[in-house]
Amino acid sequence: QKEVEQNSGPLSVPEGAIASLNCTYSDRGSQSFFWYRQYSGKSPELIMSIYSNGDKEDGRFTAQLNKASQYVSLLIRDSQPSDSATYLCAGRYGNNRLAFGKGNQVVVIP
Amino acid sequence: DAGITQSPRHKVTETGTPVTLRCHQTENHRYMYWYRQDPGHGLRLIHYSYGVKDTDKGEVSDGYSVSRSKTEDFLLTLESATSSQTSVYFCAIMLLDTGELFFGEGSRLTVL
Repeated sequence: QKEVEQNSGPLSVPEGAIASLNCTYSDRGSQSFFWYRQYSGKSPELIMSIYSNGDKEDGRFTAQLNKASQYVSLLIRDSQPSDSATYLCAGRYGNNRLAFGKGNQVVVIP
Repeated sequence: DAGITQSPRHKVTETGTPVTLRCHQTENHRYMYWYRQDPGHGLRLIHYSYGVKDTDKGEVSDGYSVSRSKTEDFLLTLESATSSQTSVYFCAIMLLDTGELFFGEGSRLTVL
């Protein structure tokens, strides 16, 4: 069973600060990774995809992939109250499936 | 908007009754998925389909069956619902060139 782990507990950050989220994955064959945002009572929404080592920036979001260490991270700069949500990390593996981590809750404090 | 609709959005049923959830897509995607989401467990794959009449099991398939007789519809059936199947069920489609999954709005099922 392919695993993606997000071990950090709820993250509280002041408005305007940087929120940092991490996940690790078990399948070295995974090539594609994703970050989803999920508001309470809503469906997951894709916010970032990353396929190669290094950083990928999109607005206030930066995803980082390190295949040697098998981890993926997400930075949210200038955090806003609207960023308060649960963030899910996912990795793609054989037969076109995604494995998801359990998610990290982010609370941005005004 | 990936053109995915789920029905029903909310359902309350009793233990032992059959339940069918429907996922409908409008963009002719080949791959479709059913996930369930529970507190403490995250999103877990139940079944997926890679074409009409082509389906395979995910990690939590016991107690569930699926059917795909048309490209646009993927049905999830609980033959005899149990309280452990109380959950939020999400349907998703995949863009194969990127691996990106897009989700429907979810179906909240309560089994009493």
